[in-house]
Amino acid sequence: DTGVSQNPRHKITKRGQNVTFRCDPISEHNRLYWYRQTLGQGPEFLTYFQNEAQLEKSRLLSDRFSAERPKGSFSTLEIQRTEQGDSAMYLCASSPTRTGGSYEQYFGPGTRLTVT
Amino acid sequence: AQKVTQAQTEISVVEKEDVTLDCVYETRDTTYYLFWYKQPPSGELVFLIRRNSFDEQNEISGRYSWNFQKSTSSFNFTITASQVVDSAVYFCALGGSRGDTGRRALTFGSGTRLQVQP
Repeated sequence: DTGVSQNPRHKITKRGQNVTFRCDPISEHNRLYWYRQTLGQGPEFLTYFQNEAQLEKSRLLSDRFSAERPKGSFSTLEIQRTEQGDSAMYLCASSPTRTGGSYEQYFGPGTRLTVT
Repeated sequence: AQKVTQAQTEISVVEKEDVTLDCVYETRDTTYYLFWYKQPPSGELVFLIRRNSFDEQNEISGRYSWNFQKSTSSFNFTITASQVVDSAVYFCALGGSRGDTGRRALTFGSGTRLQVQP
């Protein structure tokens, strides 16, 4: 089991450009989450998938953000027309599917986005 | 709404000292889940423990122990005989209730930076 992987690890882009990040969850995990973490803060929830269905989106996920998980395996997070305020670490996590409750989420190493 | 407060921004101890990290939470759910994560300097969040709201027994794992007190809405984390490798940011998190449509996302506190000096 190789854990959650994310690519790229670092991305520097100019304001106004579009960026896309990829997350590969732990293979047997059906739930996948995206979070954003800024310096000195805890992760903030962005969105959550169960298989290919996007079941929850945070108010933080403006219409410039879109996430997909087309085959219920890997997921992509796209940010259109990036702004300097989008600079952050974008974290992906996955968790097993069992009945009831919130189960532990396993995090990837993150993609650090810098918008210049 | 759910909220997690970690009032201690930074703690510095000398190796072998015991240290307790505080976590206070707010939720309207009757069933909920509490977590602790460690984020070492390398940056990747590491899961430490999950506890559901029905289980108030304290838990010990090696040098780590957790004290869950529902009456005070607290889930504190103690490291006994701290080591330099314990230096990291520690996050407390709160998860949603049961049910297929229950909120699965975690609400994190702002973290406590622990510095263990040799």
